[in-house]
Formats: sequence, structure tokens, C-alpha cells
Amino acid sequence: IAGITQAPTSQILAAGRRMTLRCTQDMRHNAMYWYRQDLGLGLRLIHYSNTAGTTGKGEVPDGYSVSRANTDDFPLTLASAVPSQTSVYFCASSDSYGQETQYFGPGTRLLVL
Amino acid sequence: AQTVTQSQPEMSVQEAETVTLSCTYDTSESDYYLFWYKQPPSRQMILVIRQEAYKQQNATENRFSVNFQKAAKSFSLKISDSQLGDAAMYFCAYLGGATNKLIFGTGTLLAVQP
Repeated sequence: IAGITQAPTSQILAAGRRMTLRCTQDMRHNAMYWYRQDLGLGLRLIHYSNTAGTTGKGEVPDGYSVSRANTDDFPLTLASAVPSQTSVYFCASSDSYGQETQYFGPGTRLLVL
Repeated sequence: AQTVTQSQPEMSVQEAETVTLSCTYDTSESDYYLFWYKQPPSRQMILVIRQEAYKQQNATENRFSVNFQKAAKSFSLKISDSQLGDAAMYFCAYLGGATNKLIFGTGTLLAVQP
């Protein structure tokens, strides 16, 4: 059992380009989340999904979109990347929304130039 | 709004000694969860320990224990018999029953000296 996988591990991206970060979990968790981690700010929630077919906005959703077509996958898309989106991105999942421990993927380091 | 504060940006401990990492939070909710996560240089976020606010007993996981003071809104992590592998960034996090969002502190970087 892999838990949560994220791809790519790292990426350098030109500003204005479109990018999709992939996240897959094999734990059959209902809820999934995307966070960004920036130095001195901890982790901040971008978007979440409490079950397949539904999504919601977190603390810093602007410039990002998500979809949840099935239980296992929760891709994060940057439609037109900007340098302020340089960060480390973590995907997480939990058995249910709001009351359960969240488990994290290994992260994707993104540099936008 | 709920906030989580870790006032110690960096801490250092000698191998085999005990260290306590501080965390305070602000909330008006009565039902919530608190977590400590460890992030080693590998960048992986690893759950260390979890505490339910309705439980008075402090959570313990092997060498890791917490001191949960609900009235004071304090949630410190004690690491006993520190090991070199404990060196990492430690994040305190709050999960509220009403907000349903995990809120992180800014982290404490722990160094373990041999």
C-alpha cells in the first residue's frame, strides 16, 4: 500500500504556463486536500473535497482549481502560473471530512520563473 | 478565527535528553482536535500524535507525549530520550468541529546534538 503519491516530485515552470499537480491515494479515503507550504507561514489550505464529485475553497484558492472525478484522484491545476505560486505543495487525505486525521503525500516542489 | 501559535522557531536538545515544544491556540469551539506533525528533511509530513479536546487524558505515543491544557489553550509536545532521528520541523495543528479545516502553526525546527 503506497498511501498517497504525488507527481511530479519537483518542477520548474515558466510564468504563464499551465500546470497540473497529480495526487492519488489508495486508502479509499473520502476527503482530500491540497496545501501549500511557504517558509514562515506553515501550511495553508488551497482546496478540499469531502467526497468524490464535490470540492470547496480553502484559505488561499485564487489561481488554483481542482476536480474530484473519483475517490482516488485529486489533481490541482494552475491555469496560468505566477512566481508567487512558487511553493511546496502537499496533498492529503482523511477518512472523512473534518473529524479525522489527515495523512500527507510526499509533496511537490514547484518553482515558477 | 482560529489561530495556532508556535513561539519557538528553533530548539536544540542533546541526544537522550528531554525537550518540550510549545503550542498555543485560540478558538471559541469546545469540540476540536489537536495534532503534532513532524517534517524531516525528506519533506514528508508525518503524524506524531493526536489529541481529542473532549479527552482529559494526555495522549502518548512511545517517547512522545503531550501536555494538553484546555482552559489555557495550550498543547505542548514532550520528546523523551531524544534521538538523532527526531531532528525535524515540528508543526502543531488544530482541526475544529465547526470549521472542518486543519490550521497549522509556523513550526519549530528541532536540532538534536550528539
